[in-house]
Amino acid sequence: AQKITQTQPGMFVQEKEAVTLDCTYDTSDPSYGLFWYKQPSSGEMIFLIYQGSYDQQNATEGRYSLNFQKARKSANLVISASQLGDSAMYFCAMREGNRDDKIIFGKGTRLHILP
Amino acid sequence: EAQVTQNPRYLITVTGKKLTVTCSQNMNHEYMSWYRQDPGLGLRQIYYSMNVEVTDKGDVPEGYKVSRKEKRNFPLILESPSPNQTSLYFCASSSGRFVEQYFGPGTRLTVT
Repeated sequence: AQKITQTQPGMFVQEKEAVTLDCTYDTSDPSYGLFWYKQPSSGEMIFLIYQGSYDQQNATEGRYSLNFQKARKSANLVISASQLGDSAMYFCAMREGNRDDKIIFGKGTRLHILP
Repeated sequence: EAQVTQNPRYLITVTGKKLTVTCSQNMNHEYMSWYRQDPGLGLRQIYYSMNVEVTDKGDVPEGYKVSRKEKRNFPLILESPSPNQTSLYFCASSSGRFVEQYFGPGTRLTVT
């Protein structure tokens, strides 16, 4: 069965530092996609970055990069040069490529950026 | 503007009174899902749809129904709401499986 684990319920990071949010996953499907979403205190869900299981390179989107270690089944989100606006809840999610469209989210990590 | 809309945004109701939360997207997306978000549990998928008239259960379907008669609309129906369905509900859509989902603004439901 699909599973996503985010082991850090909360994190405090100084502004301008880099931060890594952990995500491990479990699936038996060789084809899958991994997603990170941000949920600020206003409540909306914002897509950040995507990594496909067959992608050779780690995904990057501006200050966001995904440290994809397939053998370890980890897909950690790295935010470089953190900003106060990065304070939010972050969710890792997985979508498999089989006939179903079940999507699993982790429980999230609440990130606090300190000035 | 590409968007997913949900109505109502806030709803307080009583146990047993049937309700429908509407979801509509204007992006011609095939894939749509409903989630509930509860503190400490993240988002959990209730139902999903891969196209018109194609729907299936997610992880927590008990107490909910959905329909997909048109591509743009994917309503969530609570036939007999109970207090344990008090939650924040999100509708989302995407054009495929390995692309981002677009989320609605959320519906905060309280069942007393």
